[in-house]
Amino acid sequence: QQQVKQSPQSLIVQKGGISIINCAYENTAFDYFPWYQQFPGKGPALLIAIRPDVSEKKEGRFTISFNKSAKQFSLHIMDSQPGDSATYFCAASRQGGSEKLVFGKGMKLTVNP
Amino acid sequence: EPEVTQTPSHQVTQMGQEVILRCVPISNHLYFYWYRQILGQKVEFLVSFYNNEISEKSEIFDDQFSVERPDGSNFTLKIRSTKLEDSAMYFCASSGRLGRLAKNIQYFGAGTRLSVL
Repeated sequence: QQQVKQSPQSLIVQKGGISIINCAYENTAFDYFPWYQQFPGKGPALLIAIRPDVSEKKEGRFTISFNKSAKQFSLHIMDSQPGDSATYFCAASRQGGSEKLVFGKGMKLTVNP
Repeated sequence: EPEVTQTPSHQVTQMGQEVILRCVPISNHLYFYWYRQILGQKVEFLVSFYNNEISEKSEIFDDQFSVERPDGSNFTLKIRSTKLEDSAMYFCASSGRLGRLAKNIQYFGAGTRLSVL
C-alpha cells in the first residue's frame, strides 16, 4: 500500500516532442505528489509538485495532471529538450509524521537532438 | 542558492568496518532525512530526524544504523558493521524552514556512493 508505481521505465523522444510519465499510488492518505529530476552523479532535485485539491499544475514546460479518483498522476514535458535528458522520479508523501517520500522506480528520459 | 552538502562523495570500505556519512543540511531547516539508492533501483527512505530524535525509520534501518546531529549543523549516518548489500548511494535531505509551511519540500544532497568490498 506504500508503493508508488511508475511507468514507463525509459523513454526516448525527439527534440520538441512531448514526454509523458505516469504514476499510480494506493495509499489514499498521500496528499503531496512531487516530481524529482536527477542527473547522473547528482541528487534528486524537486521539479514540480501538486496537492490533491487541484487537478493540474503547470510550471513552464512542465505540467502535472492529477486524477484523485483513479489515484494516478502524470508529468508532461512539452517541447522536450536534450537538456531534459535525466531520470525522473515521482513520489508521494503524507502530511503529518515524518512526511517521508515514497518514490517510484524512476524513468530514464532521453531527448534526441 | 542554499544546498545540502554531503561528504565524502565516494567511500570505499571493507565488509565489517564502520562508516560515517556526513551531511550539512540547509541552514534553518528542521527536518532531516537519509535515503539510499541501490544502483539501478528506486530511492528508498531510511530514516527521518526532527527535534534531535528519530521520527520514523524504515525496515532497512536496523540496529547497524544510527543517526546523529552532533553540533547543530552536521547530520551523520553511521553504519556500524557494513555488509556487501549496504553498497548504495546514500542521500541526505532536509526540509522545513522556520516560519514557512514548506515541510514537504525536501532538498537533496548529491549523495555519497558507498562501496563495500
